[in-house]
Amino acid sequence: DAGVIQSPRHEVTEMGQEVTLRCKPISGHDYLFWYRQTMMRGLELLIYFNNNVPIDDSGMPEDRFSAKMPNASFSTLKIQPSEPRDSAVYFCASSGTSGEGDTQYFGPGTRLTVL
Amino acid sequence: SQKIEQNSEALNIQEGKTATLTCNYTNYSPAYLQWYRQDPGRGPVFLLLIRENEKEKRKERLKVTFDTTLKQSLFHITASQPADSATYLCALDLTGGGNKLTFGTGTQLKVEL
Repeated sequence: DAGVIQSPRHEVTEMGQEVTLRCKPISGHDYLFWYRQTMMRGLELLIYFNNNVPIDDSGMPEDRFSAKMPNASFSTLKIQPSEPRDSAVYFCASSGTSGEGDTQYFGPGTRLTVL
Repeated sequence: SQKIEQNSEALNIQEGKTATLTCNYTNYSPAYLQWYRQDPGRGPVFLLLIRENEKEKRKERLKVTFDTTLKQSLFHITASQPADSATYLCALDLTGGGNKLTFGTGTQLKVEL
């Protein structure tokens, strides 16, 4: 398996623009997670899905952020409008069963810079 | 509030020595704790999971301990090598739900020749 795939790997945009990050989880995994990592706040969970259904979005910072998972092999994280403080590395991760403590497999991340 | 604390200062050790990293948590007794490794420009990679009823777990040169009384986990790398240089993150499920991990800020390890 190719692992978790994220695109783009780097995104530079101007404040106010819409940004869409994409993720393809490992085939067969039924949990998908979106994280954001910054130097100041570390790795933070934004939202996670189980069987394509959002379970917990309490980490989503504002209404400007939205996430969807239309099918088991694809998810998007959208920021509209983007702001400079959204600059961070965004990771997608997936895990394989519904049991407790399952290993999460992370993608390579998308480095977002909002000017 | 619930918190996970890792030493924010980098740990520099000499090749061949044992590196020991600490993860402390407050206000909750998690059923398990995980350790991940993160290299620059990459996503975290899972290393080990230890459950609350396990005192110690080993994998090759890695050893993890879990003291639920002290609310602390120690992560050891024996016979350290320069290739072990990375940031190490501990993670716990602080909600009891089983899948929502909260990560520590990580400790950067540098193994010098």
